[in-house]
Amino acid sequence: GENVEQHPSTLSVQEGDSAVIKCTYSDSASNYFPWYKQELGKRPQLIIDIRSNVGEKKDQRIAVTLNKTAKHFSLHITETQPEDSAVYFCAARLNNAGNMLTFGGGTRLMVKP
Amino acid sequence: ETGVTQTPRHLVMGMTNKKSLKCEQHLGHNAMYWYKQSAKKPLELMFVYNFKEQTENNSVPSRFSPECPNSSHLFLHLHTLQPEDSALYLCASSQGTGGDEQYFGPGTRLTVT
Repeated sequence: GENVEQHPSTLSVQEGDSAVIKCTYSDSASNYFPWYKQELGKRPQLIIDIRSNVGEKKDQRIAVTLNKTAKHFSLHITETQPEDSAVYFCAARLNNAGNMLTFGGGTRLMVKP
Repeated sequence: ETGVTQTPRHLVMGMTNKKSLKCEQHLGHNAMYWYKQSAKKPLELMFVYNFKEQTENNSVPSRFSPECPNSSHLFLHLHTLQPEDSALYLCASSQGTGGDEQYFGPGTRLTVT
């Protein structure tokens, strides 16, 4: 099966700085990589995703990059704001596994004002 | 947010009790999922239902028993649980198992005493 490792487990940045979270996956057959954000006491919500036929995707201050050769993908948040503080989860989905996601361990991001 | 609802939101039960968690989605989705979220652990997929049929049982102990009477409702029946089963149980739904985004419910915080 798939295995997803996520680093770092905690990340503290100053407001306005950039934050980068990295995930590696084990199965080269994975073809879909979403990122979920979970604010304290709330449900996880999809913030951005990328498919294996694309190397980068951007949505305002958030971007995701994918390196299929190295089997890793990263979340980039620029100009961080206090409301970006949350736990971020990456996930990977195998090509023939329906919508079964394997999640990383999560990164707690703290943005200090 | 009312797309995916879960009841109860909090549950405390003894190891000999029998209880059920309920999930309802109002999004017209066909696939539903149960996840377990423990402290310091990744989101763990437990069960997947697609069009009321169970398509995945991720090696979950038999003390957890899912039920999906229709595409909008999902239950998780609990009996003779262990203290290590204490966790946040999240329900999610998506547009079929080929759909990308999973919409999560608010979760049920379960404590087994």
